[in-house]
Amino acid sequence: DTAVSQTPKYLVTQMGNDKSIKCEQNLGHDTMYWYKQDSKKFLKIMFSYNNKELIINETVPNRFSPKSPDKAHLNLHINSLELGDSAVYFCASRPRGGTGYTFGSGTRLTVV
Amino acid sequence: DAKTTQPPSMDCAEGRAANLPCNHSTISGNEYVYWYRQIHSQGPQYIIHGLKNNETNEMASLIITEDRKSSTLILPHATLRDTAVYYCIVSLNAGGTSYGKLTFGQGTILTVHP
Repeated sequence: DTAVSQTPKYLVTQMGNDKSIKCEQNLGHDTMYWYKQDSKKFLKIMFSYNNKELIINETVPNRFSPKSPDKAHLNLHINSLELGDSAVYFCASRPRGGTGYTFGSGTRLTVV
Repeated sequence: DAKTTQPPSMDCAEGRAANLPCNHSTISGNEYVYWYRQIHSQGPQYIIHGLKNNETNEMASLIITEDRKSSTLILPHATLRDTAVYYCIVSLNAGGTSYGKLTFGQGTILTVHP
């Protein structure tokens, strides 16, 4: 199926751990994004990569580091996890010329 | 990006048209109006977008006022599966300096009831 796929879907981990979330899109899109949805349901952009180049980096702690090995993948690594990092993280992609985003189904991260 | 204002919640009877309003009085000339929705626990889903003209696709219609300061998303025959949070967003299209960054507000919770 053509889609934006994220793994894992659920992630429960202890404070202080380091974890990664992976995202892959097979839509041939040039631009990929990470969004965070907190407990109040606000969706906020974190990062955007265009063809492996970082183009948007919002005010995000440097414990969060995105990595794009190729334009079909955008992974998110988080160091020293904190309770406040608990949220749903969505990956998305968008084609050149800008129609709508395609979002993944989300990764629910719970830090205990 | 220009800000948008939407009612926090709306109800609609199944089978009737759902008309969701959005105000974007500070929209600039090169900003598009996008609509997305988020069904519980899923990723947001693109619905439709437009610049000046009214648009229609298989999901919905978008009516943009002539001065572009407001718009209405119309779901012509709402079903129970249309119950979701609907977001109205204004954004530069890809190629703009923001690379299509979407700034989500609180949206409108649409509840379709039998």
